[in-house]
Parts: sequence; structure tokens; C-alpha cells
Amino acid sequence: GQNIDQPTEMTATEGAIVQINCTYQTSGFNGLFWYQQHAGEAPTFLSYNVLDGLEEKGRFSSFLSRSKGYSYLLLKELQMKDSASYLCAVTDSNYQLIWGAGTKLIIKP
Amino acid sequence: DTAVSQTPKYLVTQMGNDKSIKCEQNLGHDTMYWYKQDSKKFLKIMFSYNNKELIINETVPNRFSPKSPDKAHLNLHINSLELGDSAVYFCASTQASASSGQMSFQETQYFGPGTRLLVL
Repeated sequence: GQNIDQPTEMTATEGAIVQINCTYQTSGFNGLFWYQQHAGEAPTFLSYNVLDGLEEKGRFSSFLSRSKGYSYLLLKELQMKDSASYLCAVTDSNYQLIWGAGTKLIIKP
Repeated sequence: DTAVSQTPKYLVTQMGNDKSIKCEQNLGHDTMYWYKQDSKKFLKIMFSYNNKELIINETVPNRFSPKSPDKAHLNLHINSLELGDSAVYFCASTQASASSGQMSFQETQYFGPGTRLLVL
């Protein structure tokens, strides 16, 4: 079967750094997405990785290792507004998006 | 201007009723989707339309019927609503066709605000 695993919840301190991990087992791989979802709102796009390595975009970076079926989202200089759920999603060989359940990130002052 | 819009935003109804949710995108995208997000926050794809043609039809009950009058609209009609249908329904769109073989940022899905359905 197809599976995406992420921690259910993480807590971090304002100004700190946090890494949210995602592991996947899918039938084929055509890219991995990270989305941010604030409570009661729709998911918004953060990053897309299809090749191994680190993609940096401001305070957010996303890493991919296809051989390990592993990705992480790195958030630096955490702000209170970063409190949200972070969803990992993988595009399989049929270009269907397989979604993880999301990681709820709680930021404390 | 809102890129992907859905109506209504909230829907409270009785079991057994029939209801529709509408979705429109003004991005000129080729593919539109309906997702159901349950209480555990899993996003499950229900349907996908590419240029008015159904290309993915996951195992959802046939009480759910998508209708696409044109490629900018994908509506979801639900017959005989059940308690378990209570969820948030998200519409999304993407530029690339799911069968196009493209691997690019164009596969990014843009989501509507969601329709919160509560069946009593």
C-alpha cells in the first residue's frame, strides 16, 4: 500500500528552528510537496522537491532523499504565525497526490 | 480576485437531503479536484477532472456525483446525505494534466477555502 508518515504534533519555541520529517512508501515517485494549513483554512503551497537535495526559500527549506524515501521541512526563526499543520504529499507514478495526515506545529513564546 | 472559490462556505443539513457544492477557478487551469478532509485531517482525493473529463474516480459512494459544465467549474452533488459525510470538502486546481508527464511547479495545486458540511 501507499503510506506517508509524519509526526502528529511538534512543539517549538519562537525564534528557534524546527525540522518536520516525512517518510513515504509509494508506487513510484514524481515529486514531493509541503503544504501549510492554518486551522480552519485551506492548505497553501510551501515547496516542491523532485531531485535530491535541499531547496531553500526564505525561512523555510525542504530536503529530499529519494533513495531513503525521506524528506524534511526546516523552519528557521520561528514566528507565532507559523503555528499550523504541515502536510507532506507525494505524487505517485500515476501523478496522484498521496497526502500525509499532517504535523501540527505549536509555537510557544 | 479569488483564484479558487467555493460556495457555500458552510452547509448544515439533515440526513437524507440532497445538496450541491460549487467550485470555480479563474486560473485557466486544466485540472480540478475534489478532496474530502475528515476529522483526522487526512485529505482524500475524491474526483479529478481534466478539461471536463473525469480522469480519477476514487472509491467514493455513487451518491457523490461531480459535474463539470466547463473547465473552470467543478461542482459536487451529494444525494441522500449521511452522518459520515460530515467533513470539509476542498476543491483544488492545477495547470498540468495528471497524465501529461510533466514534473514541474505547474503541478502545484491551488485550493479553495473549503466547504464545511455538517449532516445532522
